[in-house]
Amino acid sequence: EAGVTQFPSHSVIEKGQTVTLRCDPISGHDNLYWYRRVMGKEIKFLLHFVKESKQDESGMPNNRFLAERTGGTYSTLKVQPAELEDSGVYFCASSLRSGEGRETQYFGPGTRLLVL
Amino acid sequence: AQSVTQPDIHITVSEGASLELRCNYSYGATPYLFWYVQSPGQGLQLLLKYFSGDTLVQGIKGFEAEFKRSQSSFNLRKPSVHWSDAAEYFCAVGARPNQAGTALIFGKGTTLSVSS
Repeated sequence: EAGVTQFPSHSVIEKGQTVTLRCDPISGHDNLYWYRRVMGKEIKFLLHFVKESKQDESGMPNNRFLAERTGGTYSTLKVQPAELEDSGVYFCASSLRSGEGRETQYFGPGTRLLVL
Repeated sequence: AQSVTQPDIHITVSEGASLELRCNYSYGATPYLFWYVQSPGQGLQLLLKYFSGDTLVQGIKGFEAEFKRSQSSFNLRKPSVHWSDAAEYFCAVGARPNQAGTALIFGKGTTLSVSS
């Protein structure tokens, strides 16, 4: 069974440019999560999809970030325009839907974003 | 607010020696607790989890963790460390569980180095 995949693995862009990150969850997983780790900080939750619907987007830092999950399969996270503080590692995770949050989240390898 | 504290940023252990990584959490209700490991270039891999029941939890790769409610702790242990255990370890708590899943709150991580 294929795991969670993320593309690209690395991205270097200039401040003000746009970047789109993609996540392909494990097939059949309704839940899809985005997390981010800024250097020296903890991994922080960004948002949670259940199929194509946003269940919880309380962690999204501002309106420069737009996440979509059309058709309930893969997801994209767009940063437009990118700022220096957006640099970090963006992780995607997926899981089967489970009552009361008793789930195991499977993480992808992350996308390392550097904004210059 | 929920939080997770990993007091040790970096630990060095001799190969074959025992290991204990500390984790303290702050959470109002019964927490869902997790330990993940990230090896270089890899995604986060789940080592073990605690939802309820027996407070001593066995995981993969010979790891175990003990939930102590009175101390708000969920320390990770391994009796004999192998060089391949060198990695970064993250403790996490499931926050805001809903009918589908839950966001994870992570500690800052502990980097384990193994000396020969």
